[in-house]
Amino acid sequence: TQLLEQSPQFLSIQEGENLTVYCNSSSVFSSLQWYRQEPGEGPVLLVTVVTGGEVKKLKRLTFQFGDARKDSSLHITAAQPGDTGLYLCPRYNTDKLIFGTGTRLQVFP
Amino acid sequence: ETGVTQTPRHLVMGMTNKKSLKCEQHLGHNAMYWYKQSAKKPLELMFVYNFKEQTENNSVPSRFSPECPNSSHLFLHLHTLQPEDSALYLCASSQFAGYYGYTFGSGTRLTVV
Repeated sequence: TQLLEQSPQFLSIQEGENLTVYCNSSSVFSSLQWYRQEPGEGPVLLVTVVTGGEVKKLKRLTFQFGDARKDSSLHITAAQPGDTGLYLCPRYNTDKLIFGTGTRLQVFP
Repeated sequence: ETGVTQTPRHLVMGMTNKKSLKCEQHLGHNAMYWYKQSAKKPLELMFVYNFKEQTENNSVPSRFSPECPNSSHLFLHLHTLQPEDSALYLCASSQFAGYYGYTFGSGTRLTVV
């Protein structure tokens, strides 16, 4: 069973600060997805990374897949209140996603 | 509009009622999923359908009964639920077995009284 740990679990910051969220595993992943979920809504796919060392940017969000494909990070530059939400990096297992508790981010104005 | 539409958005039902949740996607995806999200808990996979065939039942109680009449529609039939079944029920769809990601609906907020 591939275990995937996300850190930190909670993060409260002021608008304009930078932050990084980590997703780590002891196993190799063929791909890794990041989602953001707002209260009362379904998760929204932000990015899928498939190649070791891959870096993808989505405006102020930068996603990186580790060279060994065992870990990933999400970096947010100059966070805004609109970035508030639950960030998830589920474990992909054959044909289904298994979600953990994620990182709950709160950005204060 | 996410491409996956769930109805109703909110549902309150008594423990003796029978109701159904509906999920619809016109993205051309061949897999559909039901997840349950209770307060402050991770999303919990309930059922998986591939090409209309159920390929996963994650030990879900029989008071939850899924139905997938075609690749675009998915239902979750509910009967004799318990208050602890109150949760956000999310439907998702995917192509290529979800390798590149899922598209989720906005969910149905279910309250059992």
